[in-house]
Amino acid sequence: EAGVTQSPTHLIKTRGQQATLRCSPISGHTSVYWYQQALGLGLQFLLWYDEGEERNRGNFPPRFSGRQFPNYSSELNVNALELEDSALYLCASSFDRGGNTGELFFGEGSRLTVL
Amino acid sequence: QKEVEQDPGPLSVPEGAIVSLNCTYSNSAFQYFMWYRQYSRKGPELLMYTYSSGNKEDGRFTAQVDKSSKYISLFIRDSQPSDSATYLCATTWDKLIFGTGTRLQVFP
Repeated sequence: EAGVTQSPTHLIKTRGQQATLRCSPISGHTSVYWYQQALGLGLQFLLWYDEGEERNRGNFPPRFSGRQFPNYSSELNVNALELEDSALYLCASSFDRGGNTGELFFGEGSRLTVL
Repeated sequence: QKEVEQDPGPLSVPEGAIVSLNCTYSNSAFQYFMWYRQYSRKGPELLMYTYSSGNKEDGRFTAQVDKSSKYISLFIRDSQPSDSATYLCATTWDKLIFGTGTRLQVFP
């Protein structure tokens, strides 16, 4: 069974541009989560989608947005890129709504570099 | 104050050593605690999961929660070079909250 898949693996952008990252959850999982992993800061919660709706949002500015499609895949958009947006963006999925048991299945991430 | 705090390390130990990894948390209402392992260039994977206080053992790994002191520990016995990774503690509330991770290096 395929795990969580993310694309692209690497992305290089310049300041002010927009980045779009994509995620396909494990089959049967309806919840998708996005985390930012910047050097020295650990995993910071960005967004949670379930059944096509945004259910929770972390402490990030509105230029971080996303959506979940009817097939439960998701995309994360980052507008007006800043240098400090350079990080590994991790997508995860779970079979329980909200990941209340704590078991999230992560993809390998998309490395975003902003020059 | 951060909700979950973790010493980033790095921690370097010889093969066969007992490793102790620790976290503290701020909210006494947290009930579920997890340890994730993240190998280089990979996403984190769930290693162990505990509920409330007490110990849980899985092979060479033991997870311990002390709610009175808000302390979470992971012990690795007979550590192996393949255990070299970043270990992240986590708890769940309205979302999964992670510590910053401790980088562990086990050398032969």
